[in-house]
Amino acid sequence: QQQVKQSPQSLIVQKGGISIINCAYENTAFDYFPWYQQFPGKGPALLIAIRPDVSEKKEGRFTISFNKSAKQFSLHIMDSQPGDSATYFCAASQRGGSNYKLTFGKGTLLTVNP
Amino acid sequence: EPEVTQTPSHQVTQMGQEVILRCVPISNHLYFYWYRQILGQKVEFLVSFYNNEISEKSEIFDDQFSVERPDGSNFTLKIRSTKLEDSAMYFCASSLDLNTEAFFGQGTRLTVV
Repeated sequence: QQQVKQSPQSLIVQKGGISIINCAYENTAFDYFPWYQQFPGKGPALLIAIRPDVSEKKEGRFTISFNKSAKQFSLHIMDSQPGDSATYFCAASQRGGSNYKLTFGKGTLLTVNP
Repeated sequence: EPEVTQTPSHQVTQMGQEVILRCVPISNHLYFYWYRQILGQKVEFLVSFYNNEISEKSEIFDDQFSVERPDGSNFTLKIRSTKLEDSAMYFCASSLDLNTEAFFGQGTRLTVV
């Protein structure tokens, strides 16, 4: 019930195309859904995050779409660039109490070809 | 820009040896975490630490693991007797409070031989 399932495992997109990564969760107590971007040799860095009270959040070329009833959320990268090539992790956590425990998906390796 | 720093970047140790991984969280942050990422797998939560005590730990965080904030600035993860399966990238993270972003360090790659 704590799992976050992420797909696809890898994705190749042409420059200027749209990259779409999907995640699904089971625990209805999750109330915070961030996406992290990780470049080789670096730690994960927060890209964008959403709470379940909204269905979409956009920051620049990055958009999270959230479907609470389906327990799914996705990351859309518009006008994908070679510099976007990285591993993307979705995550979820349950706020409150004395912890901030992120449950990560397995990651998607995105390659944007020039 | 403030950042979480981890040392060393790469640690090689023999099986059965003790290792200490070090982290300097962002100075005004109050919550601290360790995560690990076995090569090719997802990032997994190990432990959270607040007010000088563990607030939550995962099933991975057994008696071989311990954490400490020895001097008010460093945050350490100790593995008492390393096993081959402890080989992974270990990430430290910190956050100001429960409702703000967790910032991750660049990681320490631990290789147990």
